Amino acid sequence: DVQMTQSPYNLVASPGESVSINCKASKNINKYLAWYQQKPGKGSKLLIYDGSTLQSGIPSRFSGSGSGSDFTLTIRSLEPEDFGLYYCQQHNEFPFTFGSGTKLEIK
Amino acid sequence: EVQLVESGGGLVKPGSSLKLSCVASGFTFSSYGMHWIRQAPKKGLEWIALIYHDGSNKYYADSVKGRFTISRDNSKNTLYLEMNSLRSEDTAMYYCAKGATRDFYVMDAWGQGASVTVSS
Repeated sequence: DVQMTQSPYNLVASPGESVSINCKASKNINKYLAWYQQKPGKGSKLLIYDGSTLQSGIPSRFSGSGSGSDFTLTIRSLEPEDFGLYYCQQHNEFPFTFGSGTKLEIK
Repeated sequence: EVQLVESGGGLVKPGSSLKLSCVASGFTFSSYGMHWIRQAPKKGLEWIALIYHDGSNKYYADSVKGRFTISRDNSKNTLYLEMNSLRSEDTAMYYCAKGATRDFYVMDAWGQGASVTVSS
């Protein structure tokens, strides 16, 4: 199975700042990396897929980059509602696997 | 608006069975692949199964292969997960999710989840 290593584990930032979350795959997954946001007690929200394609309805302050095995989610000009857990998921091959998550806290 | 509502969770003993349902609305259910994903307490997300839009193909995580069965009834807009030989490590919140339009290997809508606890 493809192992997804996500970092950092925890992130604290102020509104207006930019943050980046990294995801590293244990093998080449081409461009097939998705990012999700999870809020407490809710299902997850798809933000980015295919490494850099913004899901419909997601604000443009979210962006994704990378290919092969190294990927980054960047959130520019943080808004208070951006707090939550962020997960990466490889969608290149079965079984699909997720990173361990990054908790983003807003100061 | 896309809605996915899971039901059927509960507290069961090890070795027993349980069947989860997920009723879908707000989209043409029969046109989309559907997933089950679970999250153990204080843990990350684990994909466990995918079924194609017409039920022709099914894929499973090794952790549930042979014990869990994903199925769907397109006439009822309902996705199912039949879980047999349940173990304590199957304790989790179970989410159904809709495959995305452009790539159904990603999940673009999720339900609120159904809680399954396996304990003696």
